[in-house]
Amino acid sequence: EAQVTQNPRYLITVTGKKLTVTCSQNMNHEYMSWYRQDPGLGLRQIYYSMNVEVTDKGDVPEGYKVSRKEKRNFPLILESPSPNQTSLYFCASIRTSGGGTDTQYFGPGTRLTVL
Amino acid sequence: KQEVTQIPAALSVPEGENLVLNCSFTDSAIYNLQWFRQDPGKGLTSLLLIQSSQREQTSGRLNASLDKSSGRSTLYIAASQPGDSATYLCAVLYSSASKIIFGSGTRLSIRP
Repeated sequence: EAQVTQNPRYLITVTGKKLTVTCSQNMNHEYMSWYRQDPGLGLRQIYYSMNVEVTDKGDVPEGYKVSRKEKRNFPLILESPSPNQTSLYFCASIRTSGGGTDTQYFGPGTRLTVL
Repeated sequence: KQEVTQIPAALSVPEGENLVLNCSFTDSAIYNLQWFRQDPGKGLTSLLLIQSSQREQTSGRLNASLDKSSGRSTLYIAASQPGDSATYLCAVLYSSASKIIFGSGTRLSIRP
């Protein structure tokens, strides 16, 4: 089954304790992306990756890091989490078919609480 | 600045009504626009995708239109049902494999 998986699904942590949220897709998509979703603000793109070893900042990259060492995985790293990073995080991959048909596929989300 | 806006933020209608959800974008040079549905506490489910060269797409009771010149897309839901209750989001992609901008969504409630 084609899917995007994220782990963990729920995480409660404390300020300053480094954490990693994993994202994996089995569709061989080149493009992957991380979003955060906050009430009233919708989904905002954190980072995206066009291919292995190619990443770029989205609208809200501060406090986050990413890596893309292999096509299927795109982990999100919070080196020193702070309470304002409490949010619902989504990973997505895009089938870049060309001709305007790029389609996003989303993971189930990770709810992060930073105390 | 490229922005995507969805108004209203919330909408409540009785079952059986036809309704229209709106999505506006400030930069008309889009690559494509995608409509999603999100149920509470869940991920996003893709509903329809419209390429920049298209005017509309249909899937069952859903019809999405695109007017680039006015910077608008609409999602038409026919004969609404309580199961349609969810938040509907639109997302604009400005070029292949680039930044994606989401609207903040419209929370739809269908009253039985």
